Amino acid sequence: SQKIEQNSEALNIQEGKTATLTCNYTNYSPAYLQWYRQDPGRGPVFLLLIRENEKEKRKERLKVTFDTTLKQSLFHITASQPADSATYLCALDPIDTGRRALTFGSGTRLQVQP
Amino acid sequence: EAGVTQFPSHSVIEKGQTVTLRCDPISGHDNLYWYRRVMGKEIKFLLHFVKESKQDESGMPNNRFLAERTGGTYSTLKVQPAELEDSGVYFCASSLPTGLAGGYNEQFFGPGTRLTVL
Repeated sequence: SQKIEQNSEALNIQEGKTATLTCNYTNYSPAYLQWYRQDPGRGPVFLLLIRENEKEKRKERLKVTFDTTLKQSLFHITASQPADSATYLCALDPIDTGRRALTFGSGTRLQVQP
Repeated sequence: EAGVTQFPSHSVIEKGQTVTLRCDPISGHDNLYWYRRVMGKEIKFLLHFVKESKQDESGMPNNRFLAERTGGTYSTLKVQPAELEDSGVYFCASSLPTGLAGGYNEQFFGPGTRLTVL
């Protein structure tokens, strides 16, 4: 069955540094992969979507890469700020199959120290 | 514009009781989804409505769970009878029709309902 893995350990970094989060998947060939942010007591909030033929996508301080050979996506936050502290979720997006059910990883908690 | 809303925010019930969760999607979003996160696990898909029709029920755990979306607006998820393992956070999400979303599957989540079964 499909499996998606994110580093369950929290990532602690200093303000101003670049945070890099990893998402690995197996038994799946997604055409799309999504990243969400989740704050305590709230639902996930969509950040970025990347298609397999895009390799890299940017939005302001965010950058996502997608390597279908390694079956891995990397999520980068440059010039990180304490307000970036949250849990970040990656999700496999099956929309190219006609389905819409997202398969989420367990998330990585990011803590940015001032 | 209001986002996805869910009611109640918290519910504490005894094992064997019935609970009904409600979700109001963003206006104009034909697609409505239910997901849940049980303690220590990832968010898992339950089902997907397109308007009032169940498009995908593959994530529903068993027949104690019943989801409805009469009229294609708000949705309810009933758990009857509730068991201890049903405890968790239930999220509702909605999204635009595919044709209006440019092929994107961006989903807008509500704040969730935290269900505790004692």
